[in-house]
Amino acid sequence: GAVVSQHPSRVICKSGTSVKIECRSLDFQATTMFWYRQFPKQSLMLMATSNEGSKATYEQGVEKDKFLINHASLTLSTLTVTSAHPEDSSFYICSARRASYNEQFFGPGTRLTVL
Amino acid sequence: KQEVTQIPAALSVPEGENLVLNCSFTDSAIYNLQWFRQDPGKGLTSLLLIQSSQREQTSGRLNASLDKSSGRSTLYIAASQPGDSATYLCAVRPESGNTPLVFGKGTRLSVIA
Repeated sequence: GAVVSQHPSRVICKSGTSVKIECRSLDFQATTMFWYRQFPKQSLMLMATSNEGSKATYEQGVEKDKFLINHASLTLSTLTVTSAHPEDSSFYICSARRASYNEQFFGPGTRLTVL
Repeated sequence: KQEVTQIPAALSVPEGENLVLNCSFTDSAIYNLQWFRQDPGKGLTSLLLIQSSQREQTSGRLNASLDKSSGRSTLYIAASQPGDSATYLCAVRPESGNTPLVFGKGTRLSVIA
């Protein structure tokens, strides 16, 4: 149990386009979802926290207009990278936690490459 | 602000050796601590989760300890194998609220056959 999926696993796009990444909790209801990004050989950096039905809370330095997060249901959160640029190329990982539960479960990640 | 440090950053050992990875955190007010494994280009695999009230957890050849008051955790890997080669990440959940995990930078382990 407690499986989190991400789609797509890999995406290559041209500079200026928008990319949407989906994160789904497959067998539990995720009251909170987290989005992280990871640069090569670096650790995971938290981008934002989203609670179902509420606006996401972004970490300092993360542009909310550039990284749009929607958590419309208890099983789905989306991250849209708007007007992507090469510096947005990174590994994006989502994580989900259900209410009154200790553990965060992680998706397999999405590799974004912006040309 | 909670900060997590992992030492060493990289480690190379011959197959069969026992090894210890270290993790320290600046704020002892934590809810729990997790150790993860990450293979290159892949997501995270949870290895062990230790609640703040616990001292250690074991799973197979892995043993994680927690000394909350001193802000330290260790991951002990017994009889290392080449398949253990990966990056090991330590993460803590702060005590207050529905807060996300805070990660260290990881230890990159290579086990040489």
